[in-house]
Amino acid sequence: SQQGEEDPQALSIQEGENATMNCSYKTSINNLQWYRQNSGRGLVHLILIRSNEREKHSGRLRVTLDTSKKSSSLLITASRAADTASYFCATYSGGGADGLTFGKGTHLIIQP
Amino acid sequence: DTGVSQDPRHKITKRGQNVTFRCDPISEHNRLYWYRQTLGQGPEFLTYFQNEAQLEKSRLLSDRFSAERPKGSFSTLEIQRTEQGDSAMYLCASSLEGKGGAFFGQGTRLTVV
Repeated sequence: SQQGEEDPQALSIQEGENATMNCSYKTSINNLQWYRQNSGRGLVHLILIRSNEREKHSGRLRVTLDTSKKSSSLLITASRAADTASYFCATYSGGGADGLTFGKGTHLIIQP
Repeated sequence: DTGVSQDPRHKITKRGQNVTFRCDPISEHNRLYWYRQTLGQGPEFLTYFQNEAQLEKSRLLSDRFSAERPKGSFSTLEIQRTEQGDSAMYLCASSLEGKGGAFFGQGTRLTVV
């Protein structure tokens, strides 16, 4: 079963604009991770935020986490055509044995 | 180390045949995961190894599926008596215990005809 639900399912913006994607989840987590997947390829790990963190930055990426609302957001600033991909949030609940639980993803299209 | 590698990248098989996929994780990673991804969906967890021990299996993993990691390095995923519903991308990932983030391979795309 998939715990994370990304919103929106699809997003199309102009190059240079900022893109914001949201993720909601259902159970308590140890950490939440965001991944990018280009069409037909494997997933690339972007950023991890732990349950005791509220915000994290990595280059043009900013991730927030609100554990009270069980939600996270991924902001990509100054988008580029190369950012076109599907973005997934994945939750890790700890205990080691259950792997990551992924949402269905947001398909982001950056128009040049 | 060039990351997680999977072989083959693509596999077309007839229904009822057996297939085996291989995953070579990043060498120092002790955790290895298998996921399945169908079109328009996120990856779904199948099974997980810590070193050579298979610690968890999803209920998605029917008895036609078996995975091994005999020496705690590479892993194989075998599907016996394939069905059309097995058509999907099979992703392998590895991570180092205590370190965040999993590294994924490019996946093996299986088509059962």
